[in-house]
Amino acid sequence: EVQLVESGGGLIQPGGSLRLSCAASGFTVNSNYMSWVRQAPGKGLEWVSIIYSGGSAYYADSVKGRFTISRDNSNNTVYLQMNSLRVEDTAVYYCARGLITSGGLFDYWGQGTLVTVSS
Amino acid sequence: DIQMTQSPSTLSASVGDRVTITCRASQSASNWLAWYQQKPGKAPKLLIYRASSLESGVPSRFSGSGSGTEFTLTISSLQPDDFATYYCQQCYSYPYTFGQGTKLEIK
Repeated sequence: EVQLVESGGGLIQPGGSLRLSCAASGFTVNSNYMSWVRQAPGKGLEWVSIIYSGGSAYYADSVKGRFTISRDNSNNTVYLQMNSLRVEDTAVYYCARGLITSGGLFDYWGQGTLVTVSS
Repeated sequence: DIQMTQSPSTLSASVGDRVTITCRASQSASNWLAWYQQKPGKAPKLLIYRASSLESGVPSRFSGSGSGTEFTLTISSLQPDDFATYYCQQCYSYPYTFGQGTKLEIK
């Protein structure tokens, strides 16, 4: 059974850093594209970043230069390193698995982890 | 960026109704489009991918159509479990973008 479990969220001051983790089971994270998608409180979904099977990564303009996606194949985990956090980064962050045939469309999602950026 | 615009933003309907949600792209997304259902406090759930392919395990009352710039999600006969918010999403080009959502409410 495919499962994605996010962790690492919490309350952080503006300018701070956090690292989110997404532990996968039931498949290997280097066999699928993996993405992070966020949802601000009461708002819609916003794609944040993707990492390809080969390791290439892409980012939304809103996080480019501040966030870094990475993968640890030995732990079957995907990470999102978030630096220089802003109030507007406050959101539930979801890890999502890309379809084999359409890596940018997501068939499994984690339960989400809440990041609150506030002083 | 490809902007995705859903209509309507809110839809009131009754059990048994046939409903259609539209998603328009600001430029062609080919058929690189998905539809998701989200309930409060839960992660989104994939319903339709590649514009018209039904995800495994999703009831056949859900269907998708369209290509290019106009897409539709149709629920043929609403069930109580279908009242939720629906999002379209394109992955034709970066950045991937979602529609603003359509909240389906009980009339």
